Amino acid sequence: DAGVIQSPRHEVTEMGQEVTLRCKPISGHNSLFWYRQTMMRGLELLIYFNNNVPIDDSGMPEDRFSAKMPNASFSTLKIQPSEPRDSAVYFCASSPRYTRNTIYFGEGSWLTVV
Amino acid sequence: GESVGLHLPTLSVQEGDNSIINCAYSNSASDYFIWYKQESGKGPQFIIDIRSNMDKRQGQRVTVLLNKTVKHLSLQIAATQPGDSAVYFCAESRGNQFYFGTGTSLTVIP
Repeated sequence: DAGVIQSPRHEVTEMGQEVTLRCKPISGHNSLFWYRQTMMRGLELLIYFNNNVPIDDSGMPEDRFSAKMPNASFSTLKIQPSEPRDSAVYFCASSPRYTRNTIYFGEGSWLTVV
Repeated sequence: GESVGLHLPTLSVQEGDNSIINCAYSNSASDYFIWYKQESGKGPQFIIDIRSNMDKRQGQRVTVLLNKTVKHLSLQIAATQPGDSAVYFCAESRGNQFYFGTGTSLTVIP
């Protein structure tokens, strides 16, 4: 079975540019999560969706960050404009149920903003 | 504040020995716990989970122990192999949120 699929795997961009990260959750999963991982802060939840609806976006650091889930099989995380401090690994994860169930991670999008 | 933390940030073990990775959590309302393994350049991979109505759960070469009295979770890896070298995270869940610890780096010495 295909796992959570993320793209791009690696991106290097200049400060001020727009970055769009993409995610395809596991088919049949109805919860989707975006995490950011850095050495300093570990894994941080940015936002999660249930049945394509954003439930909690309190982890989104600033208005420069936005996320959408137009359908059950696709989500985007956008950073506009990007800044060097946004450099991190961004993980998408999905879960078959809303609560108390394992979440499965993608391989991550490694973002470097120079 | 509420947190999930690890006692040891790094752990080195000889190949073939058993490994024990510890995790403390602070919120007694957490009712579901997961251990993840993250290899370099990859995403966290599910290893084993346990619900709060259990004290122990075993998988293939791994055992998770939950002590709710002291809010402590451990992951035991039997006969540690070089392929077990990775960062291990515990995660606790309450309601619809997951909270991750900072991770322990396990190095297996051949």
